[in-house]
Amino acid sequence: DAKTTQPNSMESNEEEPVHLPCNHSTISGTDYIHWYRQLPSQGPEYVIHGLTSNVNNRMASLAIAEDRKSSTLILHRATLRDAAVYYCILRIFGNEKLTFGTGTRLTIIP
Amino acid sequence: DVKVTQSSRYLVKRTGEKVFLECVQDMDHENMFWYRQDPGLGLRLIYFSYDVKMKEKGDIPEGYSVSREKKERFSLILESASTNQTSMYLCASSLPPHLPEGYTFGSGTRLTVV
Repeated sequence: DAKTTQPNSMESNEEEPVHLPCNHSTISGTDYIHWYRQLPSQGPEYVIHGLTSNVNNRMASLAIAEDRKSSTLILHRATLRDAAVYYCILRIFGNEKLTFGTGTRLTIIP
Repeated sequence: DVKVTQSSRYLVKRTGEKVFLECVQDMDHENMFWYRQDPGLGLRLIYFSYDVKMKEKGDIPEGYSVSREKKERFSLILESASTNQTSMYLCASSLPPHLPEGYTFGSGTRLTVV
């Protein structure tokens, strides 16, 4: 399975943008890039996904490199409620399984 | 608007007991999954089901079985609970893989086996 690499942890100040990086150098042409986050004592929550183009939704933006070997999840204005573990995952086309890595633990500093 | 519901938030069982963890989704999703999450090991897939009465082993199926008699319900069964099955159990559901939308997870069941 194609793997992703994320920093173990990041910190950001409240009300500032946050850029969470993810490397996926072995991505295949049909693999979707998914992001999830897990708040303390909760199940993971879907954030956003994309294939080739940048994507925006009410929670975040996803910027995908032109060669698709990396992507960045952008939280435009971090709040304390955004403190969570963020997972970057490749959803392989036609494969039901979603394999989680260890993610990035995001700490928001008030 | 709760979409994936796990029957218990916390559960304490004794070693050797048969344990049932229930999960119900109301989104008419074909796929359902059971994961367990342990510190330092992340989320690991136990079993998944892509249709009623169909099941596939995940990465760590030993000691577990599953049942899917109705589309909306997916049960995880610990035939004889052991202390090493103490964990957070997470259920999820999704559309078929040719539709790339995200998975929806439940809030989890924290199981302690004593």
